[in-house]
Amino acid sequence: QVQLVQSGAEVKKPGASVKVSCKASGYTFTSYGISWVRQAPGQGLEWMGWISAYNGNTNYAQKLQGRVTMTTDTSTSTAYMELRSLRSDDTAVYYCARSGDGVVIGGAPMDVWGQGTTVTVSS
Amino acid sequence: DIQMTQSPSSLSASVGDRVTITCQASQDISNYLNWYQQKPGKAPKLLIYDASNLETGVPSRFSGSGSGTDFTFTISSLQPEDIATYYCQQYDNLLTFGQGTKVEIK
Repeated sequence: QVQLVQSGAEVKKPGASVKVSCKASGYTFTSYGISWVRQAPGQGLEWMGWISAYNGNTNYAQKLQGRVTMTTDTSTSTAYMELRSLRSDDTAVYYCARSGDGVVIGGAPMDVWGQGTTVTVSS
Repeated sequence: DIQMTQSPSSLSASVGDRVTITCQASQDISNYLNWYQQKPGKAPKLLIYDASNLETGVPSRFSGSGSGTDFTFTISSLQPEDIATYYCQQYDNLLTFGQGTKVEIK
């Protein structure tokens, strides 16, 4: 079955970096993109960015530009999201979602989601 | 950036009621709008794509309409399992979510 499986929970200190993985299975990885979405405790959904698994092109939310990097490893059908210079307000559940048609960010909706990875930033 | 404004932010309705949520875009987004349902502690689930298309397997009591800047999401007959937060999301220019509407049973 089509699924995305994310890495486990992380606890980080302010100023550190975190890298979350998202392993895809059950579909042709390079035919879609991956969006990353986060949700702070008790808050709504925030889109962080998108990467094409076809050609590696990225689009990032303006507020995270310079702190976030999204990559893929097509040999293992895995997407990665790295967030640097962590702050307490980065504490959230981070989701990956299959998104876009591989070339165009809006080419397909977010129809398959990972289970979420809790990232806690605390001194 | 395109801003998405949902209303209301929360609502309480009885089982069997018709529930309507609106989503307004800050600029014309054609029909580039999706709707998601999120239950507590779970990942969001796609319900409606391209403003009015029902995702496979989603009950027909869910529907969406609209184009341009004004969109509507409707549950024709509210069921207990529909208790959740609902989000609209535009994809005309990058991606943006609305702030969410929490639906509760009265």
